[in-house]
Amino acid sequence: DGGITQSPKYLFRKEGQNVTLSCEQNLNHDAMYWYRQDPGQGLRLIYYSQIVNDFQKGDIAEGYSVSREKKESFPLTVTSAQKNPTAFYLCASNPQGAAGYTFGSGTRLTVV
Amino acid sequence: KQEVTQIPAALSVPEGENLVLNCSFTDSAIYNLQWFRQDPGKGLTSLLLIQSSQREQTSGRLNASLDKSSGRSTLYIAASQPGDSATYLCAAMDSNYQLIWGAGTKLIIKP
Repeated sequence: DGGITQSPKYLFRKEGQNVTLSCEQNLNHDAMYWYRQDPGQGLRLIYYSQIVNDFQKGDIAEGYSVSREKKESFPLTVTSAQKNPTAFYLCASNPQGAAGYTFGSGTRLTVV
Repeated sequence: KQEVTQIPAALSVPEGENLVLNCSFTDSAIYNLQWFRQDPGKGLTSLLLIQSSQREQTSGRLNASLDKSSGRSTLYIAASQPGDSATYLCAAMDSNYQLIWGAGTKLIIKP
């Protein structure tokens, strides 16, 4: 079945540590996205990529980095510069243009 | 700047009732509007996608309408069931093909 796989489901980060969240899709979608979700707030866009080897900052890119070396993969690194990383992270994709988005099951990141 | 608002923030109704969830947006220049469902601790499941040229979409007991001129979309759920309990999110696609999100409506269906 086609879809988006996010791993791990739960992730714990120590202060000052970088961690990487995985996002893989087998939908053959060109565009991929990373969102952050905090309780009581709408989803906020971190980074997006519309084509391999290219990506753009979203509304809250500070403290995060991404890469898009393969069409099916769009990993997100949460760096030590992100001061409040505890949140639920969602990866999404769409074919391009005005097509609907498909979401993964999310990764919950907690700072310990 | 596009803003999307969902009212109410929470709703609790008895099983079997028909209900309407509201989504409003400030800029009518959208490509589409998408409704999602989110269960606690889970990802988002797409329910209905309405393109800007369409007025409504239906899937089973769900019907979503779109009125661009008034900046409104509604999600109608017929004959609600406890399994419908979840948070419902709407998102409008702006002129840059980016989704602008509402904060969601938390729905509880009481048995």
